[in-house]
Amino acid sequence: DTEVTQTPKHLVMGMTNKKSLKCEQHMGHRAMYWYKQKAKKPPELMFVYSYEKLSINESVPSRFSPECPNSSLLNLHLHALQPEDSALYLCASSQRLAVSTDTQYFGPGTRLTVL
Amino acid sequence: AQKITQTQPGMFVQEKEAVTLDCTYDTSDPSYGLFWYKQPSSGEMIFLIYQGSYDQQNATEGRYSLNFQKARKSANLVISASQLGDSAMYFCAMRLIQGAQKLVFGQGTRLTINP
Repeated sequence: DTEVTQTPKHLVMGMTNKKSLKCEQHMGHRAMYWYKQKAKKPPELMFVYSYEKLSINESVPSRFSPECPNSSLLNLHLHALQPEDSALYLCASSQRLAVSTDTQYFGPGTRLTVL
Repeated sequence: AQKITQTQPGMFVQEKEAVTLDCTYDTSDPSYGLFWYKQPSSGEMIFLIYQGSYDQQNATEGRYSLNFQKARKSANLVISASQLGDSAMYFCAMRLIQGAQKLVFGQGTRLTINP
């Protein structure tokens, strides 16, 4: 089973709202990732967690706040977003972090629209 | 720095024909992994096939095969007997053992299968 689930599928929020994206995997993977993807572009890495600890923050604005409550769950808390933050947010997981052969498996994504 | 180049923004192929999607990469690291992902309009990134830099044989997965030419630094995806459901965006990606947290993507190729 290589399933990564994400909720919600779609999210519309105002610039003053606070919302959260959720990602879950039950493959025993210890590395989890958040990507942002704009239309017709490849995904861009935002955050990486390894063994529930933040490993990489790709200089993401503080209005995006990641959280890894346990090895299966990854959240992305959103606050005071801008319209340009509208994008597809993809979660991924892999068995381990620093291995070039390690395959990342992606979830279906959350389509976020900021009004 | 590592870089992935996909030179075909779009391709149109007749159903049942074979199709080759081009991917070239640039790295001085001897150890790396190459990945192909398919992204339908629904948004999910679907892992297709993997090739390691030390693998002696080209990877195959069902109708997908990878034409790996290490000296030319190319890793082209071959889809045999194309189907309408193959219409999607295809991304080539690379992961290094140094800084292996990051999966670097090419710009993608939009493949359209015509009936």
